[in-house]
Amino acid sequence: SYELSQPPSVSVSPGQTATITCSGDKLGDKYVHWYRQKPGQSPVLVIYRNSVRPSRIPERFSGSNSGNTATLTISGTQAMDEADYYCQAWDSSAVVFGGGTKLTVL
Amino acid sequence: QVQLQESGPRLVKPSETLSLTCNVSGVSITSSYYWGWIRRPPGKGLEWIGSLSYIGGTYYYNSSLKSRLTISLDTSKNHFSLSLSSVTAADTAVYYCARQAAQGMSLNWFDTWGQGTLVTVSS
Repeated sequence: SYELSQPPSVSVSPGQTATITCSGDKLGDKYVHWYRQKPGQSPVLVIYRNSVRPSRIPERFSGSNSGNTATLTISGTQAMDEADYYCQAWDSSAVVFGGGTKLTVL
Repeated sequence: QVQLQESGPRLVKPSETLSLTCNVSGVSITSSYYWGWIRRPPGKGLEWIGSLSYIGGTYYYNSSLKSRLTISLDTSKNHFSLSLSSVTAADTAVYYCARQAAQGMSLNWFDTWGQGTLVTVSS
Protein backbone atom coordinates (compact mmCIF):
# COMPACT_ATOMS: atom_id res chain seq x y z
CA SER A 1 0.00 0.00 0.00
CA TYR A 2 1.04 3.57 -0.61
CA GLU A 3 2.86 5.43 2.16
CA LEU A 4 3.42 9.08 2.92
CA SER A 5 6.35 9.99 5.15
CA GLN A 6 6.58 13.12 7.30
CA PRO A 7 9.19 14.18 9.84
CA PRO A 8 7.81 13.57 13.35
CA SER A 9 8.70 17.05 14.50
CA VAL A 10 9.78 20.45 13.24
CA SER A 11 10.78 23.42 15.35
CA VAL A 12 10.78 27.06 14.31
CA SER A 13 11.27 30.42 15.96
CA PRO A 14 8.44 32.96 15.87
CA GLY A 15 8.54 35.03 12.70
CA GLN A 16 10.66 32.49 10.83
CA THR A 17 9.63 30.13 8.03
CA ALA A 18 8.51 26.60 8.86
CA THR A 19 8.83 23.89 6.22
CA ILE A 20 7.07 20.54 6.59
CA THR A 21 7.70 17.85 4.01
CA CYS A 22 5.66 14.88 2.87
CA SER A 23 7.33 12.19 0.77
CA GLY A 24 5.93 9.41 -1.35
CA ASP A 25 6.68 7.55 -4.57
CA LYS A 26 5.86 9.81 -7.54
CA LEU A 27 3.89 12.04 -5.18
CA GLY A 28 4.16 14.88 -7.65
CA ASP A 29 1.72 13.00 -9.89
CA LYS A 30 -0.98 13.19 -7.23
CA TYR A 31 -2.89 15.92 -5.45
CA VAL A 32 -1.71 16.53 -1.88
CA HIS A 33 -3.82 18.15 0.80
CA TRP A 34 -2.72 19.46 4.21
CA TYR A 35 -4.50 19.65 7.57
CA ARG A 36 -3.70 21.38 10.83
CA GLN A 37 -4.89 19.82 14.08
CA LYS A 38 -4.55 21.55 17.42
CA PRO A 39 -4.97 19.62 20.70
CA GLY A 40 -8.58 18.78 21.41
CA GLN A 41 -9.77 20.13 18.06
CA SER A 42 -10.79 18.64 14.75
CA PRO A 43 -8.44 18.80 11.77
CA VAL A 44 -8.72 21.90 9.60
CA LEU A 45 -7.91 21.96 5.89
CA VAL A 46 -5.14 24.49 5.23
CA ILE A 47 -4.05 23.59 1.67
CA TYR A 48 -5.78 21.52 -1.02
CA ARG A 49 -4.76 20.45 -4.51
CA ASN A 50 -1.09 20.96 -3.63
CA SER A 51 -1.18 24.73 -3.34
CA VAL A 52 -4.70 26.12 -3.03
CA ARG A 53 -5.46 27.92 0.20
CA PRO A 54 -9.06 27.98 1.52
CA SER A 55 -10.37 31.49 1.94
CA ARG A 56 -10.32 31.44 5.73
CA ILE A 57 -6.64 30.33 5.92
CA PRO A 58 -3.99 33.09 6.30
CA GLU A 59 -1.77 33.91 3.33
CA ARG A 60 1.33 32.79 5.24
CA PHE A 61 0.35 29.18 4.44
CA SER A 62 1.49 27.87 1.06
CA GLY A 63 2.13 24.50 -0.56
CA SER A 64 3.98 22.87 -3.42
CA ASN A 65 4.37 19.39 -4.83
CA SER A 66 6.98 18.04 -7.22
CA GLY A 67 8.85 14.81 -7.77
CA ASN A 68 8.52 12.68 -4.65
CA THR A 69 7.98 15.50 -2.15
CA ALA A 70 5.19 17.87 -1.22
CA THR A 71 5.96 20.81 1.04
CA LEU A 72 3.87 22.92 3.36
CA THR A 73 5.44 26.29 4.09
CA ILE A 74 4.39 28.65 6.84
CA SER A 75 5.94 32.09 6.48
CA GLY A 76 6.22 34.37 9.48
CA THR A 77 5.22 31.54 11.80
CA GLN A 78 3.16 32.55 14.81
CA ALA A 79 2.64 30.86 18.15
CA MET A 80 -0.91 30.03 17.09
CA ASP A 81 0.48 27.84 14.28
CA GLU A 82 1.80 25.31 16.78
CA ALA A 83 -0.08 22.10 15.97
CA ASP A 84 0.12 18.72 14.30
CA TYR A 85 0.14 18.84 10.49
CA TYR A 86 -0.90 15.99 8.20
CA CYS A 87 -0.55 15.51 4.47
CA GLN A 88 -3.10 13.41 2.58
CA ALA A 89 -3.35 11.92 -0.90
CA TRP A 90 -5.43 9.44 -2.89
CA ASP A 91 -3.87 6.31 -4.28
CA SER A 92 -5.27 3.03 -5.60
CA SER A 93 -8.78 3.75 -4.34
CA ALA A 94 -7.64 4.64 -0.84
CA VAL A 95 -7.14 7.79 1.18
CA VAL A 96 -3.64 7.93 2.64
CA PHE A 97 -2.51 10.19 5.48
CA GLY A 98 1.06 10.94 6.40
CA GLY A 99 2.10 10.11 9.94
CA GLY A 100 1.90 13.74 10.99
CA THR A 101 4.42 16.40 11.98
CA LYS A 102 4.34 18.21 15.29
CA LEU A 103 5.24 21.85 14.70
CA THR A 104 6.73 23.57 17.72
CA VAL A 105 7.10 27.34 17.76
CA LEU A 106 9.73 28.38 20.28
CA GLN B 1 -23.25 26.72 6.86
CA VAL B 2 -22.33 23.06 6.66
CA GLN B 3 -22.05 21.24 9.98
CA LEU B 4 -21.37 17.63 10.90
CA GLN B 5 -21.93 16.09 14.33
CA GLU B 6 -21.02 12.60 15.49
CA SER B 7 -23.18 10.69 17.95
CA GLY B 8 -23.17 7.23 19.48
CA PRO B 9 -21.97 5.19 22.46
CA ARG B 10 -18.68 6.28 23.99
CA LEU B 11 -17.91 2.87 25.50
CA VAL B 12 -18.02 -0.43 23.61
CA LYS B 13 -17.12 -3.87 24.91
CA PRO B 14 -14.49 -5.98 23.15
CA SER B 15 -15.90 -8.23 20.40
CA GLU B 16 -19.02 -6.06 20.09
CA THR B 17 -19.97 -3.61 17.33
CA LEU B 18 -19.08 0.06 17.35
CA SER B 19 -21.85 2.18 15.82
CA LEU B 20 -21.70 5.92 15.15
CA THR B 21 -23.91 8.33 13.28
CA CYS B 22 -22.96 11.61 11.64
CA ASN B 23 -25.75 14.15 11.45
CA VAL B 24 -25.32 16.56 8.56
CA SER B 25 -26.86 20.01 8.30
CA GLY B 26 -26.56 22.76 5.71
CA VAL B 27 -26.14 20.36 2.77
CA SER B 28 -27.89 17.26 1.50
CA ILE B 29 -26.01 13.98 1.70
CA THR B 30 -27.41 13.27 -1.77
CA SER B 31 -25.20 16.00 -3.22
CA SER B 32 -22.04 15.25 -5.19
CA TYR B 33 -19.73 14.79 -2.22
CA TYR B 34 -18.34 11.77 -0.49
CA TRP B 35 -18.97 11.28 3.22
CA GLY B 36 -16.14 9.83 5.23
CA TRP B 37 -14.99 8.53 8.57
CA ILE B 38 -11.51 9.09 9.97
CA ARG B 39 -10.11 8.17 13.37
CA ARG B 40 -7.17 9.11 15.53
CA PRO B 41 -6.05 6.56 18.14
CA PRO B 42 -4.47 7.99 21.31
CA GLY B 43 -0.89 9.05 20.66
CA LYS B 44 -1.10 8.24 16.95
CA GLY B 45 -1.95 9.97 13.71
CA LEU B 46 -5.03 10.15 11.51
CA GLU B 47 -6.31 6.95 9.93
CA TRP B 48 -8.87 6.92 7.15
CA ILE B 49 -11.68 4.42 7.71
CA GLY B 50 -13.83 4.76 4.61
CA SER B 51 -15.89 7.03 2.35
CA LEU B 52 -19.07 6.71 0.35
CA SER B 53 -21.24 8.71 -1.96
CA TYR B 54 -24.97 8.75 -2.60
CA ILE B 55 -24.20 9.14 -6.31
CA GLY B 56 -24.05 5.59 -7.61
CA GLY B 57 -23.73 4.26 -4.09
CA THR B 58 -19.95 4.17 -4.59
CA TYR B 59 -17.86 3.46 -1.53
CA TYR B 60 -14.23 2.91 -0.61
CA TYR B 61 -13.00 1.22 2.55
CA ASN B 62 -9.63 0.99 4.25
CA SER B 63 -8.45 -2.49 3.29
CA SER B 64 -7.27 -3.20 6.84
CA LEU B 65 -10.79 -2.65 8.20
CA LYS B 66 -12.89 -3.80 5.26
CA SER B 67 -13.92 -7.17 6.69
CA ARG B 68 -15.44 -5.52 9.79
CA LEU B 69 -16.75 -2.30 8.28
CA THR B 70 -20.04 -0.96 6.95
CA ILE B 71 -20.75 2.67 6.10
CA SER B 72 -24.26 3.64 5.06
CA LEU B 73 -26.42 6.66 4.23
CA ASP B 74 -29.92 7.53 5.49
CA THR B 75 -31.34 10.15 3.16
CA SER B 76 -34.56 10.53 5.17
CA LYS B 77 -32.57 11.74 8.17
CA ASN B 78 -29.71 13.32 6.23
CA HIS B 79 -27.13 11.35 8.14
CA PHE B 80 -24.59 8.62 7.52
CA SER B 81 -23.39 5.86 9.79
CA LEU B 82 -20.38 3.74 10.68
CA SER B 83 -20.53 0.18 11.91
CA LEU B 84 -17.32 -1.59 12.96
CA SER B 85 -17.70 -5.13 14.24
CA SER B 86 -15.58 -7.32 16.49
CA VAL B 87 -13.79 -4.39 18.07
CA THR B 88 -10.68 -4.62 20.21
CA ALA B 89 -8.73 -2.13 22.31
CA ALA B 90 -6.90 -1.15 19.12
CA ASP B 91 -10.13 0.44 17.87
CA THR B 92 -10.11 2.94 20.74
CA ALA B 93 -9.85 6.35 19.08
CA VAL B 94 -11.42 9.71 18.45
CA TYR B 95 -13.73 9.15 15.49
CA TYR B 96 -14.44 11.98 13.05
CA CYS B 97 -16.93 12.26 10.25
CA ALA B 98 -16.14 14.59 7.38
CA ARG B 99 -17.31 15.81 3.98
CA GLN B 100 -14.99 14.91 1.13
CA ALA B 101 -14.64 16.54 -2.26
CA ALA B 102 -14.34 14.29 -5.27
CA GLN B 103 -13.64 14.52 -8.99
CA GLY B 104 -14.80 11.54 -10.94
CA MET B 105 -13.30 8.43 -9.38
CA SER B 106 -10.66 10.40 -7.51
CA LEU B 107 -11.43 11.38 -3.95
CA ASN B 108 -9.85 14.54 -2.68
CA TRP B 109 -9.75 16.69 0.42
CA PHE B 110 -11.93 16.68 3.52
CA ASP B 111 -13.24 20.23 3.76
CA THR B 112 -15.61 20.01 6.73
CA TRP B 113 -15.15 17.89 9.84
CA GLY B 114 -17.28 16.99 12.83
CA GLN B 115 -16.00 17.76 16.30
CA GLY B 116 -15.05 14.14 16.90
CA THR B 117 -16.11 11.65 19.54
CA LEU B 118 -13.87 9.48 21.70
CA VAL B 119 -14.89 5.83 21.63
CA THR B 120 -13.24 3.54 24.14
CA VAL B 121 -13.22 -0.23 23.75
CA SER B 122 -13.09 -1.78 27.19
CA SER B 123 -14.88 -4.36 29.28
